[in-house]
Amino acid sequence: QVQLVESGGGVVQPGGSLRLSCAATGFTFSYYGMHWVRQTPGKGLEWVAFIRYDGNNKYYTDSVNGRFTISRDNSKNTLYLQMNSLRPEDMAMYYCVKVGASGTTRGAFDIWGQGTMVTVSS
Amino acid sequence: EIVLTQSPGTLSLSPGERATLSCRASQSASGNYLAWYQQKPGQAPRLLIYGASSRATGIPDRFSGGGSGTDFTLTISRLEPEDFAVYYCQQYGSSPLTFGGGTKVEIK
Repeated sequence: QVQLVESGGGVVQPGGSLRLSCAATGFTFSYYGMHWVRQTPGKGLEWVAFIRYDGNNKYYTDSVNGRFTISRDNSKNTLYLQMNSLRPEDMAMYYCVKVGASGTTRGAFDIWGQGTMVTVSS
Repeated sequence: EIVLTQSPGTLSLSPGERATLSCRASQSASGNYLAWYQQKPGQAPRLLIYGASSRATGIPDRFSGGGSGTDFTLTISRLEPEDFAVYYCQQYGSSPLTFGGGTKVEIK
């Protein structure tokens, strides 16, 4: 069964750091690009970052560029999001998402994790 | 950045009725890389349609997508009780990837 399970969310003070993880099972992880997407009641769904299947290309939305780092360990079937200098506006549910087509940077999001909540508050 | 505008914001319909949801892009969605997702309370979004008109695996044929360029639609031919949810469109052809604000389909 194809599954993504996020972990690492929690409460952090403004300026703090968190690392999210996403464990992938049921598919050949190293064949697929992966994204992080976040959702807030106010701003809806927002794409955060993408990493190519081999880790060689990474893209970020402007608001997190320079503060967040997406990475992956294909030997552990795990995706990561290192979040530094967190701001109140980063507070959201963070989803790990799989690209539907293998070996491509363009594809709809066919599998979503259940999400992990990040709260930024003093 | 491609801005996606969904309308209406809320659609009040009865089971068995037809639902037509609209998604308009501020500029042409490259290669028709347009997807639709369904989200129910407390759940992650689920992929319904990709490439503007292709149904994802396991999606019933009452769901159909259409359109091209800047105007896209999601049609649910006959609403089932489990179809009442929020629907989002998304373009994944150009960075940054963007989502529409959503259309809530509620029971009338």
